[in-house]
Amino acid sequence: DAKTTQPPSMDCAEGRAANLPCNHSTISGNEYVYWYRQIHSQGPQYIIHGLKNNETNEMASLIITEDRKSSTLILPHATLRDTAVYYCIVRVGSAGGTSYGKLTFGQGTILTVHP
Amino acid sequence: DVKVTQSSRYLVKRTGEKVFLECVQDMDHENMFWYRQDPGLGLRLIYFSYDVKMKEKGDIPEGYSVSREKKERFSLILESASTNQTSMYLCASSLGGDLTDTQYFGPGTRLTVL
Repeated sequence: DAKTTQPPSMDCAEGRAANLPCNHSTISGNEYVYWYRQIHSQGPQYIIHGLKNNETNEMASLIITEDRKSSTLILPHATLRDTAVYYCIVRVGSAGGTSYGKLTFGQGTILTVHP
Repeated sequence: DVKVTQSSRYLVKRTGEKVFLECVQDMDHENMFWYRQDPGLGLRLIYFSYDVKMKEKGDIPEGYSVSREKKERFSLILESASTNQTSMYLCASSLGGDLTDTQYFGPGTRLTVL
């Protein structure tokens, strides 16, 4: 799976949009971009994933650049409960290879939402 | 909503004890995974299972075993707990067929071995 680069930390004011960037310049054509987050001492929570097109669900939006070398996770109206470590992961979208489906988390971005 | 539950949030055991960590999912998922998470080391895969009674070793299976007698339940067993197995243990499940389906995690068990 391709490696990702994220800023170590970001701040955001409550009620404002939080835009979390991720670089994945070595991404392959069959690799998806996944986002998870982890609130302190809890299990990781799935947020969203995408291949080429922008995606939106009830939690967030995912914007993937046309060359697919970077992406941005957008939390449209951040709340204090969104304070967490956010992980951007790139992984193959179909069975095969030697990774047997395991997830590999990097260091992630610590997002702190301020009142 | 997918629900993955783990038997304990916090557990304290002594060196040499046999430890059972239980994970249950309620979404009829085929695949289940056990990870451990340690500061600076990220997430590491211990074992996974793609069907009842089927299991495969992950990256760090030494000192662990697993059991999957029913589809919804995946147990991690520490045969003889050691202090270097102090960690956060995370169970995950995914829909099935494809091991790269989205994985959903339980709340985690923080195990301390004294």
